[in-house]
This record gives sequence, C-alpha cells and structure tokens, in this order.
Amino acid sequence: EIVLTQSPGTLSLSPGERATLSCRASQSVSSSYLAWYQQKPGQAPRLLIYGASSRATGIPDRFSGSGSGTDFTLTISRLEPEDFAVYYCQQYGNSLFTFGPGTKVEIK
Amino acid sequence: EVQLVQSGAEVKKPGESLKISCKGSGYSFTSYWIGWVRQMAGKGLEWVGIIYPGDSDTRYSPSFQGQVTISADKSISTGYLQWSSLKASDTAMYYCARVSITMVRGLIYYYYGMDVWGQGTTVTVSS
Repeated sequence: EIVLTQSPGTLSLSPGERATLSCRASQSVSSSYLAWYQQKPGQAPRLLIYGASSRATGIPDRFSGSGSGTDFTLTISRLEPEDFAVYYCQQYGNSLFTFGPGTKVEIK
Repeated sequence: EVQLVQSGAEVKKPGESLKISCKGSGYSFTSYWIGWVRQMAGKGLEWVGIIYPGDSDTRYSPSFQGQVTISADKSISTGYLQWSSLKASDTAMYYCARVSITMVRGLIYYYYGMDVWGQGTTVTVSS
C-alpha cells in the first residue's frame, strides 16, 4: 500500500500570503492518479486538483498543483479568507486509493 | 444540477445491521463510479471502496473488505453502503462521491478525482 505523508501538519498564514503544501508518497505515483481536496468544518470535501496539476471545474486559478514521482505540491498563490481549511492529497496505486493525513491551513 | 443526496443520520446499537444510501441525479448514474469515504470524528479521510453501477464491479479497501458491503441499484440511481453487524468503532461520518475514472481493459488509466460529493451520513453506534 502506498502511504502518503503531508507536511506541514498545520500552516499558519495570513490572508494574502502564499501557501505551499507538500504531499510525499512512499513509492512513485503516476501523476495521472494524484488529486487534492479541500475540506471546511462541517462540509464535505471538495475536489481541487486532479492529475497532479489540472484544476477541477470552478476552482480559482490561485490554486495550482505540481510534482511527479513521490513529491507533489499544492500551492495557493494568495490566500483568501475562504481558503482556510484542511487539504488532503489522494492517490490511486496498486488497486487502492489512499488519502494523506491532511494539512490544516489556519489564520495566523 | 449534478448532485448526490445521502440518507439521514442513523443511531444504532452494536450488532445491528444498517444500510445507508446515496442517490445520484443530474447525470448518467451508470457512467461513473460511486465511492464511499469514512471520516471519524476529528480525523482524516479514509477510502472505503467504489462501485461501478453499470455492471456492479466493486473494489474495496483492504481495511474495509469483509466489514462492509457496497452495492448499487441502477434502476433508481442509488448506491448503498451496508453493515451486517455494527461495532462502536463504525461510528463516523460516511460520504459518498462520484468517482470519475477512465478504464482501459479493467485497469484505471486516468483518475479525474471524486468530483461530486454527498452531504454525508452520520452513523452512531452505541449501546
């Protein structure tokens, strides 16, 4: 089973700042199988990025994804108040889907 | 509007059975997989399994294999997650989601993500 590790666990930033979230896999993951989600308290997750770098429908262009192999990154170029949430990466590999433990982006 | 609507909150006793539902609308239900995700209180997301309503092809996470059953009734565009004997440790929020996948010869060729989510069903198991 491929294990995903996300860092940092918590990111404290101010609105307007840049957020860089990391997702590292225990073995190589195809970029075609890497997605990112945002979850706010009391809400279902929302798909942000699929294929490591493609934005889902309706996702603002301040969200971008990059990476390959075992290292992937979600970048939020300028944090808006509504972006403070928990972010999860997810991968498919070896017939299994797995999620990372999440990174909480909180207001500093 | 594409949406998934889940059944309401459940409170059950250990050992009881349960079946929760997820009804799709606004899209071709048999053309997308339906996935189930567990989230225990204050914790992260865990993949339970997926089903393709078109032919009932079902895949489970090893952590949930044998513990739950995923099914679908394409005639009413509804997916299900069921337990035959609940445990207190099954207490959690369960989400269904539309899973967008391109398959080639039975293998996932491209994964477009879980792009539509239900509102979640809270399951509480307590004596």
